[in-house]
Amino acid sequence: ETGVTQTPRHLVMGMTNKKSLKCEQHLGHNAMYWYKQSAKKPLELMFVYSLEERVENNSVPSRFSPECPNSSHLFLHLHTLQPEDSALYLCASSQDLVVNGYTFGSGTRLTVV
Amino acid sequence: GESVGLHLPTLSVQEGDNSIINCAYSNSASDYFIWYKQESGKGPQFIIDIRSNMDKRQGQRVTVLLNKTVKHLSLQIAATQPGDSAVYFCASNIGNEKLTFGTGTRLTIIP
Repeated sequence: ETGVTQTPRHLVMGMTNKKSLKCEQHLGHNAMYWYKQSAKKPLELMFVYSLEERVENNSVPSRFSPECPNSSHLFLHLHTLQPEDSALYLCASSQDLVVNGYTFGSGTRLTVV
Repeated sequence: GESVGLHLPTLSVQEGDNSIINCAYSNSASDYFIWYKQESGKGPQFIIDIRSNMDKRQGQRVTVLLNKTVKHLSLQIAATQPGDSAVYFCASNIGNEKLTFGTGTRLTIIP
């Protein structure tokens, strides 16, 4: 257990469904991140939050909607996804935006059917 | 911008031998480098890092070498064990910018 917990571990959803991914960290970190990991591709940064404010949105389609209600929790709301959105979604946190390495969760394996 | 790449997508090593995983980066201004290990079903886990003012750093059974002249980074794992089987990523950044990740090398330890 790294201190960053993601749920669910696996999710299968239809293209018309709405679901949410949850991330929780108890490390006292101030920055949280969503990454997409697809086969044979580098990790793709999706969103960055610092002190509950979104500081970066890397041209992510609007069918992905992040939410950060407090510095310990991060959500990724999903709706009308496409099959190409199937991937491992990783949450990470760091002490602050001055990077000295991230702590990653175990990810949510998402399959869109 | 920065790009980071690994030289080999897969590497097989006999148990007990040493393994070397390589990584190249494009931006000579990169000043911080990290190696991550990702086991099956888990997220990336920090292994070791190095700053650009160093050329070598050692941890437990792991050594990271940085060659800034050719913009090359390597991870050496001594006396590999079955538990070392995983995908290894390098990542780098410049100043306070976000980390840029490589594609990963899958290391398989042969018993």
